[in-house]
Amino acid sequence: GAGVSQSPSNKVTEKGKDVELRCDPISGHTALYWYRQSLGQGLEFLIYFQGNSAPDKSGLPSDRFSAERTGGSVSTLTIQRTQQEDSAVYLCASSFVSYEQYFGPGTRLTVT
Amino acid sequence: KNEVEQSPQNLTAQEGEFITINCSYSVGISALHWLQQHPGGGIVSLFMLSSGKKKHGRLIATINIQEKHSSLHITASHPRDSAVYICAVRNDYKLSFGAGTTVTVRA
Repeated sequence: GAGVSQSPSNKVTEKGKDVELRCDPISGHTALYWYRQSLGQGLEFLIYFQGNSAPDKSGLPSDRFSAERTGGSVSTLTIQRTQQEDSAVYLCASSFVSYEQYFGPGTRLTVT
Repeated sequence: KNEVEQSPQNLTAQEGEFITINCSYSVGISALHWLQQHPGGGIVSLFMLSSGKKKHGRLIATINIQEKHSSLHITASHPRDSAVYICAVRNDYKLSFGAGTTVTVRA
């Protein structure tokens, strides 16, 4: 079956612009996660959605970052007024409740 | 101090050698994951375990809950095993990640 998909696969943007990253989770998965992998650093948790519960936004690095999940399926991560330190690979994962997570291929964001 | 520590940071092996990667953690967990990331590729979950040992092909993962330690073993290593291996611990739904171990297997 179809795995987790993300778009775009690559995004180059100018400093100060807003960007939107999209994640399509596996159908039927109730949980959706966003992570960030910066160059030379490990993965870090950004945000978690589970069903209709309030999302856990504790990992978002600043108020320039926001995310929503519409209809319990597709999610969009928005970064406003991008900065060079936002350059990273943004990974989405989904799971059924708290079971094994399946990762998407990621979006590589480069802020120039 | 990171909640999850992996060692070694880098590892080079000759094809056929036995490889061990270690992971220690300092927090209570509900499960531990081993992930694989190929260069330029996405992340694949290899194992999720909360006790004992799991085996899949040439890969073996073990966990000792009392000692807060897990190991990933690769038997009869092959160049296609070259990748970054990441240990992640789960507390409820949230994952905390180790820095990863870069494994290079030479033919």
